[in-house]
Parts: sequence; structure tokens; C-alpha cells
Amino acid sequence: DIQLTQSPSFLSASVGDRVTITCRASQDISNYLVWYQQKPGKAPNLLIYAASTLQSGVPSRFSGSGSGTKFTLTISSLQPEDFASYYCQQFTDYPYTFGQGTNLEIK
Amino acid sequence: QVHLVESGGGVVQPGRSLRLSCAASGFSFSDYSMHWVRQAPGKGLEWVAIVSFDGVNTYYADSVKGRFTVSRDNSKNTLYLQINALRPEDTAVYYCAREEAEYHSPRFAYWGQGTLVTVSS
Repeated sequence: DIQLTQSPSFLSASVGDRVTITCRASQDISNYLVWYQQKPGKAPNLLIYAASTLQSGVPSRFSGSGSGTKFTLTISSLQPEDFASYYCQQFTDYPYTFGQGTNLEIK
Repeated sequence: QVHLVESGGGVVQPGRSLRLSCAASGFSFSDYSMHWVRQAPGKGLEWVAIVSFDGVNTYYADSVKGRFTVSRDNSKNTLYLQINALRPEDTAVYYCAREEAEYHSPRFAYWGQGTLVTVSS
């Protein structure tokens, strides 16, 4: 199975900060990498697919990059509504594994 | 408008069985592969299973293989997850999700609201 490792697992930041979350795959997954945001009690919300394509309706402060085994999600200027959990997921091969998640908290 | 609504969750004793449903509307259900994803309380997301658009092909996470069965009824626009021999570690919110695959870019753009399964004696 392909393992995805996110770092950091916890991140404390302030409104207006630029933050980056990394997702590393245990093998080459090309660009079949997706990012989700999840708020407590809610289903995940798609942010980025194909590593760098912004989902329709998602604010442009979110961006993704990477290919192969290293990927990043960047939020250019944190807004209050961005404090949530973030997950990466690979779609190269079954099982379609998720990273363990990153909890983004207000400093 | 795409709508996915899970049902069938509840409190169940270990060893018992449960069938979850996911009712789909607002799109051509038979055109899409469908997935189940679960999330234990306070934990991360775990991909569980997929059924192809026509119900022919399925695949499971190792953690559920042999106990879970995913199926669909395209005439009823409904996805199912049969869970047998329930274990306490199956306690989770179970989500159904639709797989988009345009431009060879798979992702889950639509999710249900989830249904909570609690395994406890």
C-alpha cells in the first residue's frame, strides 16, 4: 500500500500568516494527489486535485504543488475560516490512502 | 444538484451486522464509481471500499476485507455497505463519496453528511 505522511501534524498560526503543509508519498504517485479541508462535524471539502488544480469555488489563497513523492498545500494568507483539519489523499492505486491529517489551530 | 444521504447507522453490539445505505440524487448515479470512507471519533479519514459504476468491480481496505461488502442498486440510485461481525474498532462516521474522473484527475468532490456507527455492548 502507498503510505502518505503529512507534516506537521499540528500547526499553530495567526490570521494573515502564510502556511505550508507537506505530504510525502512512499512511492511515486505522479500527480494523483488531492487535498481536502475538514471542519468538526462536517464532511471533507475538496480543495485541490491533480496536485495543483484548484477546485471550483475554492478561494485562490489555497494552492498546491508537487509531483512524484513530495507535495505541498499552501495557504497564502490565513483567514479565520481556514482553521480546520487538512488531509491529502492519493489516487494512484487501491487502497486510496489518506495522510494522517494536519490540524491547523489559531495561535 | 448532487445530493448524497447516508442512513442505517446506530448503536450495534459486537459481532452483529449492519447495512448502511447512501441515497443519491441530482446526477446519473449509474455513471459513477462510488466509495465509502470512514472516520473514527477524533481520528483521521480511512478509505474503506469502492464499487465501480456498474457494480461489477469492488475493492476493499485490508482492515475490512472479508467482513464488509459494498454494492449498489442503480435502479434505486442507492449505494450499500454491508458490515458483518462488527468490532469496536469499526466505530466511526461512515461517508459515501462520488468519484470524479474527468481529465484523468480522480477526486471526491461530493460527499454525504455521514452516518455514525457505534459498536458497543
